[in-house]
Amino acid sequence: EIVMTQSPATLSVSPGERATLSCRASQSVGSNLAWYQQKPGQAPRLLIYGASTRATGIPARFSGSGSGTEFTLTISSLQSKDFAVYHCQQYNNWLLTFGGGTKVEIK
Amino acid sequence: EVQLVQSGGGLVQPGGSLRLSCGGSGFTFSSFEMNWVRQAPGKGLEWVSYISSTGSIIYYADSVKGRFTTSRDNAKNSLFLQMNSLRAEDTAVYYCAREARMFGGVIGLDNWGQGTLVTVSS
Repeated sequence: EIVMTQSPATLSVSPGERATLSCRASQSVGSNLAWYQQKPGQAPRLLIYGASTRATGIPARFSGSGSGTEFTLTISSLQSKDFAVYHCQQYNNWLLTFGGGTKVEIK
Repeated sequence: EVQLVQSGGGLVQPGGSLRLSCGGSGFTFSSFEMNWVRQAPGKGLEWVSYISSTGSIIYYADSVKGRFTTSRDNAKNSLFLQMNSLRAEDTAVYYCAREARMFGGVIGLDNWGQGTLVTVSS
């Protein structure tokens, strides 16, 4: 099983600032990495796939980078609607695994 | 509009059984692989099961293997999760999720049901 580790667990950011979230895989997953946003009481929403491609309707302030074992999600200028939990997920094989999540909270 | 609507769930005693359903609309259900993902209270996401578009291939997480059974009825655009021998640690919100593909390759889970809470407690 590929273990996904996200850091930090909580990120305190002021509106308008940049947020940088990290995700590390225990072994290479190539570019088979997705990011999801989840707000309280809601299902996750696909933000990024292929490590760097925005899903349909996702604004350009969200960007993903990385390959292999190290990945980053950047939110360039946080808006109030962006405060949420972000999950990374590898889909390199059928046994999908998720990171523990990073909560982005208002500073 | 793509929609996944879940039903089932609730409170069940340890050792009991429950069946979750997930109905798809707004897309050709029979063309998509589906997954179940769960989230224990205050915890992260945990993949539970995968089923191919025809239902011929099914995978399970080790934590549920032998106790949970995933199936689908493409004629009724429905996905099911039969959960037996439930344990306290199975308490979670369960989501069905559509597996998206592009150019033949998986790109993640692009549509999710609203989730249904399963509580295993005496």
